[in-house]
Amino acid sequence: DTAVSQTPKYLVTQMGNDKSIKCEQNLGHDTMYWYKQDSKKFLKIMFSYNNKELIINETVPNRFSPKSPDKAHLNLHINSLELGDSAVYFCASSPPLGVNTGELFFGEGSRLTVL
Amino acid sequence: QKEVEQDPGPLSVPEGAIVSLNCTYSNSAFQYFMWYRQYSRKGPELLMYTYSSGNKEDGRFTAQVDKSSKYISLFIRDSQPSDSATYLCAGGYSTLTFGKGTMLLVSP
Repeated sequence: DTAVSQTPKYLVTQMGNDKSIKCEQNLGHDTMYWYKQDSKKFLKIMFSYNNKELIINETVPNRFSPKSPDKAHLNLHINSLELGDSAVYFCASSPPLGVNTGELFFGEGSRLTVL
Repeated sequence: QKEVEQDPGPLSVPEGAIVSLNCTYSNSAFQYFMWYRQYSRKGPELLMYTYSSGNKEDGRFTAQVDKSSKYISLFIRDSQPSDSATYLCAGGYSTLTFGKGTMLLVSP
């Protein structure tokens, strides 16, 4: 059973389109994240939700809108896609404070290519 | 200056070698430190977790944190071809900040 699952794994689209990536975790964690990994492998946080509430919103264009319908799901919608949005987007979740505080469990990633 | 600096490599070693991977960080507030391993086209997975300064050993892997010098290290003994991956160091106190990752290639 996959702990953090993302769909789709691959996404190829044209500039200007709108697309969504879905994420679900079955670990019972309260906190979920979206990270972006660029071509140089740099992994940077975009958003963090705790129990459906937005707690971190890094400097991300407002074309990116996260949505958390419940604490097990965190989706990412991107409007008016640009070439620079091409990257791998990782969903992650983390357990409450305690053993291994701050540990992240990552999904397999969604590779977005904007043409 | 980025909060976590890491040499991107690649670092190529023969099988059986001892590998040393290093990072520096700038944020004194960091309390926990991690090493993640990322295979090609996969998500990062936790390899080692250290809280505050000190050493931690797990099999062939040893993680070291020196908060006085803001230095994070990962040592791999008897490296194997299956260790070939990108290794990401990270530090944090509320959220994790990652280094750029070091690509390690272990040749048979």
